[in-house]
Amino acid sequence: QVQLQESGPGLVKPSETLSLTCNVSGYSISNGYYWGWIRQPPGKGLEWIGNMYHSGTTYYNPSLKSRVTISVDTSKNQFSLKLSSVTAADTAVYYCARRVGTTYFDYWGQGTLVTVSS
Amino acid sequence: EIVLTQSPGTLSLSPGERATLSCRASQSVSSSSLAWYQQKPGQAARLLIYGASSRATGIPARFSGSGSGTDFTLTVSRLEPEDFAVYYCQQYGSSLYTFGQGTKLEIK
Repeated sequence: QVQLQESGPGLVKPSETLSLTCNVSGYSISNGYYWGWIRQPPGKGLEWIGNMYHSGTTYYNPSLKSRVTISVDTSKNQFSLKLSSVTAADTAVYYCARRVGTTYFDYWGQGTLVTVSS
Repeated sequence: EIVLTQSPGTLSLSPGERATLSCRASQSVSSSSLAWYQQKPGQAARLLIYGASSRATGIPARFSGSGSGTDFTLTVSRLEPEDFAVYYCQQYGSSLYTFGQGTKLEIK
């Protein structure tokens, strides 16, 4: 059973960098698939942030591309999200997920709430 | 960017009834790129349907998806108590993944 679990600080100050990690169990990241992040601001819809293939190829939402970095650590079987220069608009529940091909996400984490506030 | 609009926003039904959820796209979507998810509070989202009409592994036969072009439908033929949740549609197009705003299926 593939399982994903997000971890990281629940509170980030404005202008700082949000950093989250997704630990994967039940499947080795180095075996393939795309791994990425989706977020949901309070009371709003889901927004795709970006994905990375295990080899390192990345795909980002154009609206966030200048601030986002997704990286993979195959030795720890985890991948990470960094979002720089955050504002209150980046307050959201952040989900990590596995993407199949170019179409859908078959496994998701439970999500972690990150609040941007001083 | 393709915008997905789900309706209704909230659907109130009783166990045993049939649920029909709609997802309308602002422009034509490839059927292979349309998926549906179920989400319950505090839980990971669960893939139900991919390719507009294919059930994901382990999904009961009471869930079915249909549609093409700009109009897609998720149907739950006979609601079970565990089916009451929020449902999202999602598409991939022009290098961007977008989601609908969700339909909340609540017990009447």
